[in-house]
Amino acid sequence: NAGVMQNPRHLVRRRGQEARLRCSPMKGHSHVYWYRQLPEEGLKFMVYLQKENIIDESGMPKERFSAEFPKEGPSILRIQQVVRGDSAAYFCASSAYRDGATAQYFGPGTRLTVT
Amino acid sequence: AQKITQTQPGMFVQEKEAVTLDCTYDTSDPSYGLFWYKQPSSGEMIFLIYQGSYDQQNATEGRYSLNFQKARKSANLVISASQLGDSAMYFCAMREGRDSGTYKYIFGTGTRLKVLA
Repeated sequence: NAGVMQNPRHLVRRRGQEARLRCSPMKGHSHVYWYRQLPEEGLKFMVYLQKENIIDESGMPKERFSAEFPKEGPSILRIQQVVRGDSAAYFCASSAYRDGATAQYFGPGTRLTVT
Repeated sequence: AQKITQTQPGMFVQEKEAVTLDCTYDTSDPSYGLFWYKQPSSGEMIFLIYQGSYDQQNATEGRYSLNFQKARKSANLVISASQLGDSAMYFCAMREGRDSGTYKYIFGTGTRLKVLA
């Protein structure tokens, strides 16, 4: 009974490189959320996706960040030309339905370090 | 304006005693959900307990209970019989976005709990 899976767990990138973070939702879940956690802070919503659709990207920075959730395969959060300020923990969560009564289940997170 | 406020950056509790972690929220949506998550030093987010705005009774899950006071807009987490393994960061979160259908979570800044032997 696998939960939400994220890989890699730790990612180190140099400034200017691309970071690609993967999230496989729980089996049967078709709704994926990405959150970012800066050190000593709470999680901040970034984007909400369903299969092949971006539903809400109001928390995504306007530049360099993109997300997708293809019909097959994991959801991908892509950060182009990373900067030191992108260093954070990125969490993916999934839920079975788009309704308020359904809890979101979080993956273990990917810790991105930009050097 | 902060939608979720956790005013206690850090708390200490003696092992086997109860502790209350405070959380207040702000929303104009009549339908919302409140959640508590535990984040140990390993970093994962562990779901603890959920309270819906229309629930008549306070939620309980084992040693965790949620003291829901709707008029005061507070949703405090009570941990009974604290254990050393309860030492962690605790986050309160509110689900909003009903109108847009997003249901994204808004998180507080967290309370770091340390259980003393």
